Parts: sequence; C-alpha cells; structure tokens
Amino acid sequence: QKEVEQNSGPLSVPEGAIASLNCTYSDRVSQSFFWYRQYSGKSPELIMSIYSNGDKEDGRFTAQLNKASQYVSLLIRDSQPSDSATYLCAVGWKEYGNKLVFGAGTILRVKS
Amino acid sequence: NAGVMQNPRHLVRRRGQEARLRCSPMKGHSHVYWYRQLPEEGLKFMVYLQKENIIDESGMPKERFSAEFPKEGPSILRIQQVVRGDSAAYFCASLPGIDNEQFFGPGTRLTVL
Repeated sequence: QKEVEQNSGPLSVPEGAIASLNCTYSDRVSQSFFWYRQYSGKSPELIMSIYSNGDKEDGRFTAQLNKASQYVSLLIRDSQPSDSATYLCAVGWKEYGNKLVFGAGTILRVKS
Repeated sequence: NAGVMQNPRHLVRRRGQEARLRCSPMKGHSHVYWYRQLPEEGLKFMVYLQKENIIDESGMPKERFSAEFPKEGPSILRIQQVVRGDSAAYFCASLPGIDNEQFFGPGTRLTVL
C-alpha cells in the first residue's frame, strides 16, 4: 500500500514569512513528486514538480526532495494572503502508470 | 490553449439514477486519469485511460462505475444507480505522455439526493 502523509494543519504564518510544508511517502521507488494548490471548491492547480534529489526553485516556491529520507517539502517565501489554500503533495510511480497518490493536504493560512 | 474541460460542472441526481461525467482532455493529450474527492477527504485515483483502452482501473468501485475514452469524443465516467455516498467532486486530469505532469480540469460536483 503506497501512502503519502501530510500534516493536515492548519499552518498559520504571518504575511511575508516563509511557509514550510512537509510530506513523507512510503515507497523508495517513487519517481515523481508534485505539489498542488487547491482553493476551496476549486480543482487542484499544479505549482511544482520535482524528480531528483535536491532543490528546485520557481519564483517564491522551492521544492526540496530527499529520496533517502522519503521526504519532500515545499517552501513558500514572502507568503501572501492569496497563498491561503490547501496544499496537496502527490507522488507518482511509473510502474503503476504514473497514477498519483495524494496526501490529505495541509491547510495554509497566511494572516495579513 | 484550452485546458482540460469537464461537464457538467454541477450535477444533481436522485438515488437510483445514472450520472454521466464528461472530460475533454487538452489538445494533443491522449492520457486521462479520473480522481474522486469525497467531502473533507483527499483525492483518490479511480481509473487511467488512453484512447480506446482502460489501462488501470484499480481505483474504481467494482460495481456501478465504468469509464471509457473513445477514439472520438470525451472520456466518460458513468455511475449507475447512484447512492448518497457517491456525492463528491470528480476530477479528470490529462497529459500528453506517461512521464508528464497531470493538469486537472475544473471538476464535476455530483450531489445525490
């Protein structure tokens, strides 16, 4: 059973701070990792993908992957109230057709 | 470029009726995944299809649910004899190839009365 774990939160940070979201997964052969943002009542929106160990930066977002520790994180710098949403960690396994297994999501609240 | 399209956006059915959910992938995308999000729960994989083929239906309930992706037209997720527990948001995602990122449609929110 492949599992993806996230702290449900809510994680509250002040505007302008760094928000750190974490995710662990159960299987060492996982190959692709994604962070989606989902606003209430809306569909998931892809914000970051990462496939190899290390950091990947895109604007205010940085994804970090550590396959040995089975850990992936998302940092959001200069958090804005508009970043308030549920962040979904998803893991794909190529041998399973790259279907995504999602964590339950972390609720982020950015307070102005 | 048009994104992934889903319709209807909202669907209300009474218990025992049939629900048909449609997903039109992005242009050039031949792979479609369906996911279900129950209230206050995470997204769960249901089925993975390519044109005219079901590749993986391991997440589909064994009864009442079926999916297809014909050579022409949208992918269809069909739920027969709906029950209240089927009330959820159903999302499809498409991608051009198996190694690519999945982009989600706006979803269909099914309410069973």
